[in-house]
Amino acid sequence: DAMVIQNPRYQVTQFGKPVTLSCSQTLNHNVMYWYQQKSSQAPKLLFHYYDKDFNNEADTPDNFQSRRPNTSFCFLDIRSPGLGDAAMYLCATAQGPDTQYFGPGTRLTVL
Amino acid sequence: GQQLNQSPQSMFIQEGEDVSMNCTSSSIFNTWLWYKQDPGEGPVLLIALYKAGELTSNGRLTAQFGITRKDSFLNISASIPSDVGIYFCAGQRFKGTYKYIFGTGTRLKVLA
Repeated sequence: DAMVIQNPRYQVTQFGKPVTLSCSQTLNHNVMYWYQQKSSQAPKLLFHYYDKDFNNEADTPDNFQSRRPNTSFCFLDIRSPGLGDAAMYLCATAQGPDTQYFGPGTRLTVL
Repeated sequence: GQQLNQSPQSMFIQEGEDVSMNCTSSSIFNTWLWYKQDPGEGPVLLIALYKAGELTSNGRLTAQFGITRKDSFLNISASIPSDVGIYFCAGQRFKGTYKYIFGTGTRLKVLA
């Protein structure tokens, strides 16, 4: 009964080569989030959508973009990955200002 | 970005012992969430707290929303080896912002 699904679970890309991570949800939640998490640190919010309204964090680099074509899907695009972008990327969903549920994450490696 | 202070940072305990950890802030929060994260996985929600003073249990886990609204506590009773992992608190300051601030995490290791 997967509720928040992230694909792929592991992604390897080359320095500077664009990469897209995907997230889908079966909960029909109106809020979707993307977090970056490095080596057992706290998850760091990159941006979130409330329905189609996009909310970027002030310190999220321009290199990171997102798309939400419909309620169920949300994508994270990294336009030119650097070595410092290697991390776990977590997608989460919430129904309004309520409890937040995470997906299993995508581990990104940059060569 | 802002983070919540979580303590202890790490702890080693014997199987069967009780565990306590807390999350503190200088700011008031409206919601507290507690998560457990296993290596290579996403955080899994353990307990959600919505009102000051609220005490909620989930099996061997009990969490409380501090009466001052600036802190929260998580207790694990009779720990078992599978309790090992990193525990994160997350607080929402303003309802309607849909944003949570995360604690720095408590790494728990259970010795059999």
